[in-house]
Amino acid sequence: NAGVMQNPRHLVRRRGQEARLRCSPMKGHSHVYWYRQLPEEGLKFMVYLQKENIIDESGMPKERFSAEFPKEGPSILRIQQVVRGDSAAYFCASSPGTSGSSTDTQYFGPGTRLTVL
Amino acid sequence: AQSVSQHNHHVILSEAASLELGCNYSYGGTVNLFWYVQYPGQHLQLLLKYFSGDPLVKGIKGFEAEFIKSKFSFNLRKPSVQWSDTAEYFCAASFNDMRFGAGTRLTVKP
Repeated sequence: NAGVMQNPRHLVRRRGQEARLRCSPMKGHSHVYWYRQLPEEGLKFMVYLQKENIIDESGMPKERFSAEFPKEGPSILRIQQVVRGDSAAYFCASSPGTSGSSTDTQYFGPGTRLTVL
Repeated sequence: AQSVSQHNHHVILSEAASLELGCNYSYGGTVNLFWYVQYPGQHLQLLLKYFSGDPLVKGIKGFEAEFIKSKFSFNLRKPSVQWSDTAEYFCAASFNDMRFGAGTRLTVKP
């Protein structure tokens, strides 16, 4: 059973470009979470999605960031007009969603390291 | 506000020393607790979790953690560390969503 997959593993963008990060959950998991790991700050929750629905986006910056989890295909975290401060590791996690909440055990992908030049 | 705090930013131990990493959370209600580990260059892995029942939880690789409700703590322990335990350790708690501590970097000297 493949784990959570994220691609690309490393992404370099210049200021003002767009970054698209992809996350494929574990087989059978219908819930996806995105986290950002800034240096020295630990992981911070960004957004929690089910298929075709955003459940909680309280951790997402209001501008330039968006996330989706379509019926088919991976979840996408999109950052428009990137700035240097967006440089971080972005982790995706998935859970089965059986408890109906975000308290299921989450399994993490390897992360995408975004570097903004 | 709901939060998780880890007391130590960086811990350095020699092999065979005992380990205890502190974790406290601030929330008065029901909470699920986790410890994750991130080995150098790798992704996060679940070490152990507590949902209910026995407050002393055994995890993988000889790790354990004790949930002390009165102290709002969930400290991670290992009796004898190995060089291969060098990693970053994250405590996490799920309230309405998951909150992570800032992480503790453990360096084990051979």
